[in-house]
Amino acid sequence: EVQLLESGGGLVQPGGSLRLSCAASGFPFSTYAMSWVRQAPGKGLEWVSGISTSGGKTYYADSVKGRFTISRDNSKNTLYLQMNSLRAEDTAVYYCAKTLTGVIHYFDYWGQGTLVTVSS
Amino acid sequence: EIVLTQSPGTLSLSPGERATLSCRASQSVSSSYLAWYQQKPGQAPRLLIYGASSRATGIPDRFSGSGSGTDFTLTISRLEPEDFAVYYCQQYGSSPITFGGGTKVEIK
Repeated sequence: EVQLLESGGGLVQPGGSLRLSCAASGFPFSTYAMSWVRQAPGKGLEWVSGISTSGGKTYYADSVKGRFTISRDNSKNTLYLQMNSLRAEDTAVYYCAKTLTGVIHYFDYWGQGTLVTVSS
Repeated sequence: EIVLTQSPGTLSLSPGERATLSCRASQSVSSSYLAWYQQKPGQAPRLLIYGASSRATGIPDRFSGSGSGTDFTLTISRLEPEDFAVYYCQQYGSSPITFGGGTKVEIK
């Protein structure tokens, strides 16, 4: 059974940093591209970032480019999102999501999400 | 980037009725790379449809997708109580991936 378990969310002040993790199990992690998708409270879905199987190719939404860094450790079956220079508008539930093939693709499995709150 | 506009924003229907949800793209979605998701309160989205018309594993056949180019439709033939939720479309034909704003299907 595919499982994606996010962690690392919490309350952080504007300008601060946070690192999210997503532990994957139930599938060969190293053979699938992965993404982070976020959802602000009461709002819709926004794709944040994606990464290829090896980690060699990364993609970002304009809203986070230069502030967020996606990475993965295939030996630990874990996806990461390093978030720096956080802003109030980054407040959201962050989901990790698995794609079927390729980075720019649909998402066949999602984690349950971790809440990031940026506030003073 | 491709902007997806979903309509209506809210659909009020009764169980057993047919639901028709629209997703319109600001430019053509290549190869009909469009997906639909269902999201219930407090839950992660669930994949329903990919490739505009292919049902994901385990999705009941009352859900169907159609369309191409810039106009896509998700149809729920007969609403079951568990179908009342928010539905999102997503295009993956070009980067960045984008989602529509969602359609809420509520009980009338």
